[in-house]
Amino acid sequence: KQEVTQIPAALSVPEGENLVLNCSFTDSAIYNLQWFRQDPGKGLTSLLLIQSSQREQTSGRLNASLDKSSGRSTLYIAASQPGDSATYLCAASGGKLTFGKGITLSVRP
Amino acid sequence: EAQVTQNPRYLITVTGKKLTVTCSQNMNHEYMSWYRQDPGLGLRQIYYSMNVEVTDKGDVPEGYKVSRKEKRNFPLILESPSPNQTSLYFCASSLSNRVNSPLHFGNGTRLTVT
Repeated sequence: KQEVTQIPAALSVPEGENLVLNCSFTDSAIYNLQWFRQDPGKGLTSLLLIQSSQREQTSGRLNASLDKSSGRSTLYIAASQPGDSATYLCAASGGKLTFGKGITLSVRP
Repeated sequence: EAQVTQNPRYLITVTGKKLTVTCSQNMNHEYMSWYRQDPGLGLRQIYYSMNVEVTDKGDVPEGYKVSRKEKRNFPLILESPSPNQTSLYFCASSLSNRVNSPLHFGNGTRLTVT
């Protein structure tokens, strides 16, 4: 059974800092790895999807990487802003999508 | 605008009173799914549907029913709600479960069962 872990559960950084959010998964037989953002009381918004054959995907200040052999993915946020404050969830798909519990990020002005 | 629409956004009900949460998507997606989100437990899948008339249980299906009579709609039915079904519910859809397409979420339904 796939298990997805995100540590730490919460993170607070000053504005402008580059940061990395980690995601680990136990079963490397995945089709893709997705990163989502969730604002309080709202639904999840898809940020990046990395196919199993890819190593990374980029969108603006966001870069996600995937290392299937080690069961890890990272989401890199460049030059963080207060508007980046949200919960970030990763999900591994091997047909069924399994979510981590998320990392709540707070970017201090 | 491409979106997944859930209704209602908030719902307070009493134990045993049947309710339906509607979900509709306008993206011609084949795959639709329901999740519940609880503090400390994260997102858990309730039911999913690969296409019209094809539904299957997720991780926590007890106490819920779904139907997929049309491609765009995937309602979640609670025949006899209980307090342990108090939660934040999300509907989601994607082009297909077999290709690399991102999952699109609705804005959620916060259900309270007293």
